[in-house]
Amino acid sequence: KAGVTQTPRYLIKTRGQQVTLSCSPISGHRSVSWYQQTPGQGLQFLFEYFSETQRNKGNFPGRFSGRQFSNSRSEMNVSTLELGDSALYLCASSRGNEQFFGPGTRLTVL
Amino acid sequence: GIQVEQSPPDLILQEGANSTLRCNFSDSVNNLQWFHQNPWGQLINLFYIPSGTKQNGRLSATTVATERYSLLYISSSQTTDSGVYFCAVGGAGGYNKLIFGAGTRLAVHP
Repeated sequence: KAGVTQTPRYLIKTRGQQVTLSCSPISGHRSVSWYQQTPGQGLQFLFEYFSETQRNKGNFPGRFSGRQFSNSRSEMNVSTLELGDSALYLCASSRGNEQFFGPGTRLTVL
Repeated sequence: GIQVEQSPPDLILQEGANSTLRCNFSDSVNNLQWFHQNPWGQLINLFYIPSGTKQNGRLSATTVATERYSLLYISSSQTTDSGVYFCAVGGAGGYNKLIFGAGTRLAVHP
């Protein structure tokens, strides 16, 4: 069974731009969660989607948003990028409690 | 919210040595996972272990939910075990929100 996939793997943007990241879950998994990893803050939960509905949200500004499609694929969007948004963005999918992570998208904001 | 503390923060071993990593959490959980983060950033699932004991080759884990801690044992360590080990927990009502510890950085030298 294919694992969680994320695209793109690497991204370079400048301040003020916006970015969209994509995540395809493991087949049959309906829950997709997003996490941000930075050296200073570690791994932090962004939000979770289940059956196209946001079910939980972390403590991030409204510039961070997401959505989920009927095939469970998910996208997250960050608008008006700031230097501090440079991070590894990880998505995870699950069918029950156990979560499985994708390889991540490394975003650099210049 | 739930607090997760991992110890030690750093660990240096000679190949062949055994080690124990600890994860303390501040509230009851319905999910506890151990991950190994590879050099490219992907989180590799080691154990899903909200309670009890599991073993997988040279690795084993024990969670004592009533005392709010989990232990990850690595026996006969190899250089490929190097990397960062994360403990992550999920609480009741949190759906699939995982709260991560700061990690234990393990270096195994030949």
